[in-house]
Amino acid sequence: NAGVTQTPKFQVLKTGQSMTLQCAQDMNHNSMYWYRQDPGMGLRLIYYSASEGTTDKGEVPNGYNVSRLNKREFSLRLESAAPSQTSVYFCASRIGTGSWETQYFGPGTRLLVL
Amino acid sequence: QKEVEQNSGPLSVPEGAIASLNCTYSDRGSQSFFWYRQYSGKSPELIMSIYSNGDKEDGRFTAQLNKASQYVSLLIRDSQPSDSATYLCAVTNDYKLSFGAGTTVTVRA
Repeated sequence: NAGVTQTPKFQVLKTGQSMTLQCAQDMNHNSMYWYRQDPGMGLRLIYYSASEGTTDKGEVPNGYNVSRLNKREFSLRLESAAPSQTSVYFCASRIGTGSWETQYFGPGTRLLVL
Repeated sequence: QKEVEQNSGPLSVPEGAIASLNCTYSDRGSQSFFWYRQYSGKSPELIMSIYSNGDKEDGRFTAQLNKASQYVSLLIRDSQPSDSATYLCAVTNDYKLSFGAGTTVTVRA
C-alpha cells in the first residue's frame, strides 16, 4: 500500500516546454486534488476531481489542465511552462466528509522553469 | 482578504512550553477545520480536525473552534523538538480545502 505517489520528484523545464505530472493513489478514494506551494503562500488549489469523470477548477487554474484517467490516476499538464509556474506541486486524495475528512498528500514534485 | 489567515510567525518556544497558533477564516459557510503539520521538505500530514464549537483534545494537541468569531486555534502542550515544523490551518467547504500560509514553529531545547 503506497498511498499517494507522484512522478517525477524533480524536473527542470525551459520556458515554453510542456510536461505532465503524474499522480496515483491506491486507497480507492473518490476525490483527488492538485495543489501548488510557494514560499509564504501556503497551499493553493489548482484543480480537483470530486469523483471519476469530473474535474473542477480551483483557486489558480490558469496555465494548467488535468485529466482524471480513472479512479486511481489524476494527472496535471503544463502546456507551455512559464517561470511563474516554478513551485512544489502536491497531489492529494481524500476520504470521508466533515470532521472525518482526511486528505493524504503525495511526496511532491519540485519544478523549476527557466 | 485571504480566505484563511494565520499568525505569520515564526514562533519560537522553549522545550516543555505551550505553543499557541491562531487562524481566522472569511467564509461563514465553512464546515470543517483542520490543522496539518509539514516538516521541511516533506508533504503535509493531518494532525487535528474539528467540526463543532469548543475544544477537541488529542494527546498534547488541543484544537479550539469558535464559529461566531470565525476563529480556530491549536495549542501544543509540553512542546518537543520534534514539534518543530510549519503548521497549516485549513478550512473546507464541500470538496474544496483552503489553506493558510502556515506558521513555522521552532522548539528550543
